[in-house]
Amino acid sequence: DTGVSQDPRHKITKRGQNVTFRCDPISEHNRLYWYRQTLGQGPEFLTYFQNEAQLEKSRLLSDRFSAERPKGSFSTLEIQRTEQGDSAMYLCASSLAGVSSGANVLTFGAGSRLTVL
Amino acid sequence: GESVGLHLPTLSVQEGDNSIINCAYSNSASDYFIWYKQESGKGPQFIIDIRSNMDKRQGQRVTVLLNKTVKHLSLQIAATQPGDSAVYFCAEKAGRRALTFGSGTRLQVQP
Repeated sequence: DTGVSQDPRHKITKRGQNVTFRCDPISEHNRLYWYRQTLGQGPEFLTYFQNEAQLEKSRLLSDRFSAERPKGSFSTLEIQRTEQGDSAMYLCASSLAGVSSGANVLTFGAGSRLTVL
Repeated sequence: GESVGLHLPTLSVQEGDNSIINCAYSNSASDYFIWYKQESGKGPQFIIDIRSNMDKRQGQRVTVLLNKTVKHLSLQIAATQPGDSAVYFCAEKAGRRALTFGSGTRLQVQP
């Protein structure tokens, strides 16, 4: 297993365009998270899935953002009509829900950096 | 709103010294805490975690201390090495909620 993979690593787009990011979690992990991180700040929670179900969404997640995890494996995060304020690193993480000591530990990918011109 | 924060934005230490990074949290319902390290261009990497029923946990060269009375968390790194230079984040969660991260402390290790 190569860990959490994110694609693309970098995306430059013009304001108003749609972008989509993909995340492939660690294969045995059933939870998948999306976070957004701007320079000098900690990751901000956006949403998370357990299997296919989207269990929590942040109030930060505007209507222009949508995330899916249709088969409980990989996930996509789409941003419609991008704005300059959407420029950030989009981080994906996964974990294995349960009662074991490591159940709450999120393993992060390297992120997808979005620049909106 | 509820938040997690750090006292010092940048900490500079000499190689071989011990480092202490502090974090304050405000959500009294938080029952799990975790420290991550983030190097430039990489995602956060797990260091150590602690549940609210403990006040201390040790790992390899790292110790996390939790003081629930004053809602304070600290990360101690023994014999700090150049490879420890990074940004360190504390994060907390309550129940089934997702992790909430603080704003980070940059650790600079001087040779």
